[in-house]
Amino acid sequence: EAAVTQSPRNKVTVTGGNVTLSCRQTNSHNYMYWYRQDTGHGLRLIHYSYGAGNLQIGDVPDGYKATRTTQEDFFLLLELASPSQTSLYFCASSPKGWGGGAETLYFGSGTRLTVL
Amino acid sequence: GDSVTQTEGQVALSEEDFLTIHCNYSASGYPALFWYVQYPGEGPQFLFRASRDKEKGSSRGFEATYNKEATSFHLQKASVQESDSAVYYCALTGQVVGQLTFGSGTRLQVYA
Repeated sequence: EAAVTQSPRNKVTVTGGNVTLSCRQTNSHNYMYWYRQDTGHGLRLIHYSYGAGNLQIGDVPDGYKATRTTQEDFFLLLELASPSQTSLYFCASSPKGWGGGAETLYFGSGTRLTVL
Repeated sequence: GDSVTQTEGQVALSEEDFLTIHCNYSASGYPALFWYVQYPGEGPQFLFRASRDKEKGSSRGFEATYNKEATSFHLQKASVQESDSAVYYCALTGQVVGQLTFGSGTRLQVYA
């Protein structure tokens, strides 16, 4: 079973604050993803990456940066946090992308971020 | 763009009831379709997928059949248990490699 670890589990910051969410996967998966989960919207893709140094824009990227420093580590950065970014954030990984062969996503347990 | 619609936001059933959660999609091309399940305090988990018309996916007693004509992938289970209480997400592959589009989720509560 793939292991995806997120930290911290909970984070509280103030408007305008600087936040970094961390994600590490230990199965050498190529693809990593950041999603946010909000009631009524389900899971929405923020950014994703298919390898170290690569970054792709998802569906809701505004206000977020991301960086993939190694095969294992993917970070989500909120440089000027706003209350609208209060949400539950999930990181996920998969062995490869799809477009023919559909692959499975493995999710972490989430980080709950509150922006006051 | 691609989208997934789950019409039921919440479903409440008693144990041994029959479950249907509706999922309809809109996509260009020929997407693969998925069901994920999320238990309280955890991230979503892959349940099963189907990649072509009339293919049935199944796992843990749940099943769904890819219906290209009706653009549907409805989740069913013949006899639910209290342990099935969770949020269920329908999803599809996007046009762009690496992207998965999720529906808004359906919360299932099963009472003993």
